[in-house]
Amino acid sequence: AQSVAQPEDQVNVAEGNPLTVKCTYSVSGNPYLFWYVQYPNRGLQFLLKYITGDNLVKGSYGFEAEFNKSQTSFHLKKPSALVSDSALYFCAVRDPRAGKSTFGDGTTLTVKP
Amino acid sequence: EAQVTQNPRYLITVTGKKLTVTCSQNMNHEYMSWYRQDPGLGLRQIYYSMNVEVTDKGDVPEGYKVSRKEKRNFPLILESPSPNQTSLYFCASSIGQGGAYNSPLHFGNGTRLTVT
Repeated sequence: AQSVAQPEDQVNVAEGNPLTVKCTYSVSGNPYLFWYVQYPNRGLQFLLKYITGDNLVKGSYGFEAEFNKSQTSFHLKKPSALVSDSALYFCAVRDPRAGKSTFGDGTTLTVKP
Repeated sequence: EAQVTQNPRYLITVTGKKLTVTCSQNMNHEYMSWYRQDPGLGLRQIYYSMNVEVTDKGDVPEGYKVSRKEKRNFPLILESPSPNQTSLYFCASSIGQGGAYNSPLHFGNGTRLTVT
């Protein structure tokens, strides 16, 4: 069975500082990994994905994620946080054979001015 | 505009009164799925469908039914709602043809259901 863990319920950073939101996964075979963001009263929006290739993946709004196979991690990063980045972030793994997606519990990112 | 549309956005009902939450997508996606979101539990999959007339249970299917008679629609049915089904529900879709499950999910804006 596949699983995703987001070890931090909450991440607080100051505007302009780098941010990291952590994610580790467990899956048999090669993983399809995704990050989504959720703003209040909205559905989840896709940020970026890792399928294969370069370990550093670039996505929307200046976000990037680093895939580390040996540590089974897929941490979300941004070099300089904005107040508008404050939201709920979800890491997800997708079964490449059946399409089933499993989500982490989410991490609330708060960026303070 | 490409989108997933859920209705209604808010629903308050009483225990045992059957209800349906509709979901429609206009992107010709094969894959559709329902999730519920509860505080501290993330998103949990209820049911999913890889194509018309093909549906499968997710992680928390008890108390729910779905149908996929047309490609664009994937309604969620609660035959006899109970208070523990009070939650925020999301419908999502994605490309699924040929095993292309490396595509992201597109989500609706959610349905907040309260069962009293």
